[in-house]
Amino acid sequence: DGGITQSPKYLFRKEGQNVTLSCEQNLNHDAMYWYRQDPGQGLRLIYYSQIVNDFQKGDIAEGYSVSREKKESFPLTVTSAQKNPTAFYLCASSKDRESYGYTFGSGTRLTVV
Amino acid sequence: AQSVTQPDIHITVSEGASLELRCNYSYGATPYLFWYVQSPGQGLQLLLKYFSGDTLVQGIKGFEAEFKRSQSSFNLRKPSVHWSDAAEYFCAVGALYNTDKLIFGTGTRLQVFP
Repeated sequence: DGGITQSPKYLFRKEGQNVTLSCEQNLNHDAMYWYRQDPGQGLRLIYYSQIVNDFQKGDIAEGYSVSREKKESFPLTVTSAQKNPTAFYLCASSKDRESYGYTFGSGTRLTVV
Repeated sequence: AQSVTQPDIHITVSEGASLELRCNYSYGATPYLFWYVQSPGQGLQLLLKYFSGDTLVQGIKGFEAEFKRSQSSFNLRKPSVHWSDAAEYFCAVGALYNTDKLIFGTGTRLQVFP
């Protein structure tokens, strides 16, 4: 079955370290997205990519970086510059406007220790 | 500015009771509207979506939503709630002639009592 796989499910990071969250999809979707979810704040867009080798900043891109070298993969790196990285991170993808609606992964919970 | 408002942070209903979750949007273009559901520690699942046509849309798990342009609303309803419906619900809006970005509301947490 097609879907989006996020790994790991739980991740612990020491302050000052960079960590990379994995997001892989086998849906042949063109667009991929990273959202951050905090209690009471809904989903906030970090980065998105509509095509390979191209990506755009979302609303809260500071302290994060991404790459899109393959259609299937859109990893997110949380850098030491992100002041409050503890959150639930969700990856999503979409095919096009006609089918619209995102498919979400099951998320990665990142905790800074 | 584009925005989505879900005025109810937390709703509690008894099993078997009817449910309505409110969603209001502010969007300059023709909106695409969505409802998603999230179980604890999980990703979001699409319940239903509205693009055009009939303003009452049917979704999965017995949910429906009605688009009311005059009220800028897209409320989610279910006639009889089951305990398994306890989750967080998100309304989202996108634009027809824009990028594929969606704007999400802050969510409504539904608690169901037996």
